[in-house]
Amino acid sequence: AAGVIQSPRHLIKEKRETATLKCYPIPRHDTVYWYQQGPGQDPQFLISFYEKMQSDKGSIPDRFSAQQFSDYHSELNMSSLELGDSALYFCASSLWGRAPYEQYFGPGTRLTVT
Amino acid sequence: QQQVKQSPQSLIVQKGGISIINCAYENTAFDYFPWYQQFPGKGPALLIAIRPDVSEKKEGRFTISFNKSAKQFSLHIMDSQPGDSATYFCAAREETSGSRLTFGEGTQLTVNP
Repeated sequence: AAGVIQSPRHLIKEKRETATLKCYPIPRHDTVYWYQQGPGQDPQFLISFYEKMQSDKGSIPDRFSAQQFSDYHSELNMSSLELGDSALYFCASSLWGRAPYEQYFGPGTRLTVT
Repeated sequence: QQQVKQSPQSLIVQKGGISIINCAYENTAFDYFPWYQQFPGKGPALLIAIRPDVSEKKEGRFTISFNKSAKQFSLHIMDSQPGDSATYFCAAREETSGSRLTFGEGTQLTVNP
């Protein structure tokens, strides 16, 4: 079965640079979520989109922005990168508002800021 | 403040034994409780999930027990195998928060052969 696709899988950037992470949800899934996971920590919700509209916003820095496109893929744009932004970034997808509300995660993008 | 509290932080079990991981929550608006398994450098994989109107759900060797009045739920892994060694996260969903998942701190499970 098709899964969530994320690209790139690894990204190395320097401080103050920008980065763009991409997410392709499972076919027919209309909702995308972004999570950040630091080393040894649990995933923290950043932001989500349903039908190209922001549906929820969590602890996402103002330096980050995201959007969902008409084909339902999503991009997370990160600017003025800081050392503390180094983490695993996961995208998850689901069908909005329909039980059983399962969210399926992608393999993640490992961002390293030097 | 961690909205979903998970314990233990780490767990070592012998092959064939039962692994038990516990979670507790305070937010009564949570309406869906999944468990995820995560291997190093990989994405969390959905294992099993439960709704609060059910007290127990079993899928293969994995069982969720749910106590709504105590606001607690647990994952039981029967006949634990070395391949089960991973980090396990409980989570909770709140519909009014756009279906975001709030995770517990995670449990590092090691199953010795």
